Amino acid sequence: ETGVTQTPRHLVMGMTNKKSLKCEQHLGHNAMYWYKQSAKKPLELMFVYNFKEQTENNSVPSRFSPECPNSSHLFLHLHTLQPEDSALYLCASSQDRESPVYGYTFGSGTRLTVV
Amino acid sequence: QKEVEQNSGPLSVPEGAIASLNCTYSDRVSQSFFWYRQYSGKSPELIMSIYSNGDKEDGRFTAQLNKASQYVSLLIRDSQPSDSATYLCAVNIRTGGFKTIFGAGTRLFVKA
Repeated sequence: ETGVTQTPRHLVMGMTNKKSLKCEQHLGHNAMYWYKQSAKKPLELMFVYNFKEQTENNSVPSRFSPECPNSSHLFLHLHTLQPEDSALYLCASSQDRESPVYGYTFGSGTRLTVV
Repeated sequence: QKEVEQNSGPLSVPEGAIASLNCTYSDRVSQSFFWYRQYSGKSPELIMSIYSNGDKEDGRFTAQLNKASQYVSLLIRDSQPSDSATYLCAVNIRTGGFKTIFGAGTRLFVKA
């Protein structure tokens, strides 16, 4: 496999459920990101990991919990979400946080619906 | 003022015409600039990057950067229906580390 792979592609969950989103990159990149994309809004950066260390948390509610066990894998654990959390969640990677010369490679995204 | 502004569109152009997409940004210390294409239901795909003033051409795409006026544009020559998508402008600013700010995107519709 090449590029950035995200699973699942679609997820419907109740407000009391716990679920996890998974992202894997096969590009040898050192930085990984979670973005949220809501309709007609700019991409919102949620979390940044550089060399497995979290370097940024953009005031994201604690019901979203990231995990980065190594430079190739990134998870987003979800619990007690709200309907307004319904959005497209995108994982991205780049060579590293300090040299974004080549921009990001995005995964295919997870379309999350909270009911 | 939004940090990165784009006209939401839709911008409609006939097949074969030049599509011109514009983006303005507010931060003067912006370092690098990107255009992403996002088809409906898909994820963004990087199509162009530009770092210095002037034009950069890649096939049918030309990115133009004017740091003094704080705008960056994307021209698509010989537009095709397959170019119909949302185009996202992204700007990197150095504030300690790097921070990437995205615009909300411009929807482009190329009529056959």
